[in-house]
Amino acid sequence: GEDVEQSLFLSVREGDSSVINCTYTDSSSTYLYWYKQEPGAGLQLLTYIFSNMDMKQDQRLTVLLNKKDKHLSLRIADTQTGDSAIYFCAEIPNSGGYQKVTFGTGTKLQVIP
Amino acid sequence: EPEVTQTPSHQVTQMGQEVILRCVPISNHLYFYWYRQILGQKVEFLVSFYNNEISEKSEIFDDQFSVERPDGSNFTLKIRSTKLEDSAMYFCASSEQGRETQYFGPGTRLLVL
Repeated sequence: GEDVEQSLFLSVREGDSSVINCTYTDSSSTYLYWYKQEPGAGLQLLTYIFSNMDMKQDQRLTVLLNKKDKHLSLRIADTQTGDSAIYFCAEIPNSGGYQKVTFGTGTKLQVIP
Repeated sequence: EPEVTQTPSHQVTQMGQEVILRCVPISNHLYFYWYRQILGQKVEFLVSFYNNEISEKSEIFDDQFSVERPDGSNFTLKIRSTKLEDSAMYFCASSEQGRETQYFGPGTRLLVL
């Protein structure tokens, strides 16, 4: 299908790990992204992964990519209250246009102190 | 760190009025984009722009919309005759190359009354 799918909501306790999952559409997408949107704010690029990688780690963030299942996940270690936001998975598909970013539905992460 | 900027941050207009949303992309970037996010919904692609012309547009981007790069730094989105359903957050983005990471501005929240 055309949609990048994410679960809508995740609630974790401060200090725990958060895992946000995404299923994307185009197995030939070259880049896959995670964007963060705080309330009333813009889209902040958090991290991205090339499609020829399985994993990328960047400080507290770990991105895992399963190309066979078209599954992408974002793990946030030691989650803080400042991590509360909406997290969007995104891809630039190779089909149906070559430049537009297709965003997922967004996962709202709530961090409980 | 270079960033995409947008003005105004908020705009309120009457239905039927024209609005111009402004963006200053990152200076060495060659590809420019507009997206919108209706409240509570996904971020949707509107249009991409390269070499002074539209390279791709979505079905949302009808004749009421136009884009322009009037000088070497600004990139604008014009809505000729606004409708209530144009109320949304509008994001500008830019990238160095066509299939590379897009960096987003903070958005302009447009409210049509």
